[in-house]
Amino acid sequence: DSGVTQTPKHLITATGQRVTLRCSPRSGDLSVYWYQQSLDQGLQFLIQYYNGEERAKGNILERFSAQQFPDLHSELNLSSLELGDSALYFCASSGRVGSGGYTFGSGTRLTVV
Amino acid sequence: DQQVKQNSPSLSVQEGRISILNCDYTNSMFDYFLWYKKYPAEGPTFLISISSIKDKNEDGRFTVFLNKSAKHLSLHIVPSQPGDSAVYFCAASDPSGGGADGLTFGKGTHLIIQP
Repeated sequence: DSGVTQTPKHLITATGQRVTLRCSPRSGDLSVYWYQQSLDQGLQFLIQYYNGEERAKGNILERFSAQQFPDLHSELNLSSLELGDSALYFCASSGRVGSGGYTFGSGTRLTVV
Repeated sequence: DQQVKQNSPSLSVQEGRISILNCDYTNSMFDYFLWYKKYPAEGPTFLISISSIKDKNEDGRFTVFLNKSAKHLSLHIVPSQPGDSAVYFCAASDPSGGGADGLTFGKGTHLIIQP
């Protein structure tokens, strides 16, 4: 158990629908990152939150949004889903990169049918 | 445009021998590099890192080498063990990215250790 909890582990939904992925960071970590791993692709950085505020955006589609709540858990909202959104979505938390890297959750596998 | 490239999708090595995983990058602003290991159905786990001010960092069986002029880094595993079979991701950090530290990852190399 890495200390980063992601729910649900698996999600199957239809095109056009909206889903919410949830992440609880490791205790004490203020930064939360979301990554997408599609087939044959590396981990694509989507967005970072730090202590409730958006810190950086990567390759995140406008149909996707995220937030971090006062208790530091984060949610990634994916709407108007397309087949190409099928992927593994990882959440990670950290203090700082220099402290040894992120701690990743085990991911949510999203399948859009 | 891929800023971090792992050109070998897979690598097969005999148990007990050395495994060498390679990674190239294009962004000269990257100043911190990391390797992650990933087993199926699990998230990536941090393995080892290196700052751009160093050219080598060692941790047990794992050594990372950085050649800044060639924009190349490599991960050496000696000796390779069956439990090392996993996907290895190279990642890099660009501190000039607005203060954020979202890592840029390569596509990964699947290391297979043969008995």
